[in-house]
This record gives sequence, C-alpha cells and structure tokens, in this order.
Amino acid sequence: GENVEQHPSTLSVQEGDSAVIKCTYSDSASNYFPWYKQELGKGPQLIIDIRSNVGEKKDQRIAVTLNKTAKHFSLHITETQPEDSAVYFCAASSSHAGGTSYGKLTFGQGTILTVHP
Amino acid sequence: KAGVTQTPRYLIKTRGQQVTLSCSPISGHRSVSWYQQTPGQGLQFLFEYFSETQRNKGNFPGRFSGRQFSNSRSEMNVSTLELGDSALYLCASSLGLAKETQYFGPGTRLLVL
Repeated sequence: GENVEQHPSTLSVQEGDSAVIKCTYSDSASNYFPWYKQELGKGPQLIIDIRSNVGEKKDQRIAVTLNKTAKHFSLHITETQPEDSAVYFCAASSSHAGGTSYGKLTFGQGTILTVHP
Repeated sequence: KAGVTQTPRYLIKTRGQQVTLSCSPISGHRSVSWYQQTPGQGLQFLFEYFSETQRNKGNFPGRFSGRQFSNSRSEMNVSTLELGDSALYLCASSLGLAKETQYFGPGTRLLVL
C-alpha cells in the first residue's frame, strides 16, 4: 500500500521567514496530494491541495510543488506569522473510480511548525 | 454551509465496553470517511462509506465497524474496547468523486480506562 514520509518532524522559524515541509510517497498511482493544518483541539483543515496534472499551485502565502518523477511534494509558506503555528500533515491518495484505495488518504507523520514573534 | 459535525466530542469508556460515534457530513456530501489519530500511529484510515455502502476499509480489526444512513450520516462502532483504542476519531466528508477534497470534523476524543 501507499507510504508517505514527511520531514522535518519539527520546524522552528522566526516570524517573516519561510517554512518548507517535504513529503515523499511510494505509490506511483497516487494522483491527489492535500495538505492539512491541525490546531490544538481541532480537526485537520485543508489549506491547499494539488492534483497530478499540475506541478505547482499557489494561494497567497502558501504554495505546493509536485514532482511526480521523484515522487515528492512540498509545502512552502512564505512570510510566516505566529498564527501559522500548528501541526501540518501531507497526504496522498490514488482516488480513481473503481480503484482499491478510493476515498482513502494516507497521511505523513506531521510537522510541528512553531513561528516565533 | 455548516461543516462536518461529530458527536459526542468526548467520551470515557472502560475496557470491554462498546462505543458508537456519530458523524453528520456537509450537506450534499455523499461520502464519509473515518480516521483514527494517535500520537504513536498518526492519522490512519479506518473506512469510507459512499451511498450507504462501504467502499474501502483500512487495516483495523473487525471490532471496528461502521454504517451510513440514507441521509449520508454515518456511525462507527467499536466493540470490546481496549486501552489502545484511546484516540481522536475523525470523520471527513466529501462529494465522493475522484480527487475530491475531504473536509474534517472536530473529532471525538475517546479515552478507554
């Protein structure tokens, strides 16, 4: 089955710096890669996602890049703010009609991001 | 639009008991997935229901089961609880189509004593 590795496990940055979190996946059939942010006491919230026909996607301070050949994807947060402090999870899915893993997200282990004011 | 709701939010049970958790998806969503989150194992997929049918299942023992009703609401049941079942149980809903976004609820925190 799919395996997703996420690095680093903890990341500490100063406010205004950039933060980068990297994930690799094992299943070449994976075609959907969401990123979630989880704050204490809450469920994961989608912050950005990318589908396999796109190499990069940007939404204001957040961007995700995907390299299907190398089977890795990354989250980039620019101009970090203290409210960006949370746990970030990457995930992968090979969702396709009739696929055996339809609807299943495989998550990385998470990255605890701390942004110091 | 209201988000995914889960009840109860917190639950304390003892070993050997059983528990039922409930999830109401976003209006119009037909797929509900369940995940278990623990510090040691992270987020792990339990199962997914779409139009009242289990479409996919993770690697969990048969003590974990679920169902989905005609209004897309879903329940999951854990029988013969073990200490290791203590976790945050998360429900996510989506339209159920390929590569569709899954939206998570706040979770039910289960403590087994």
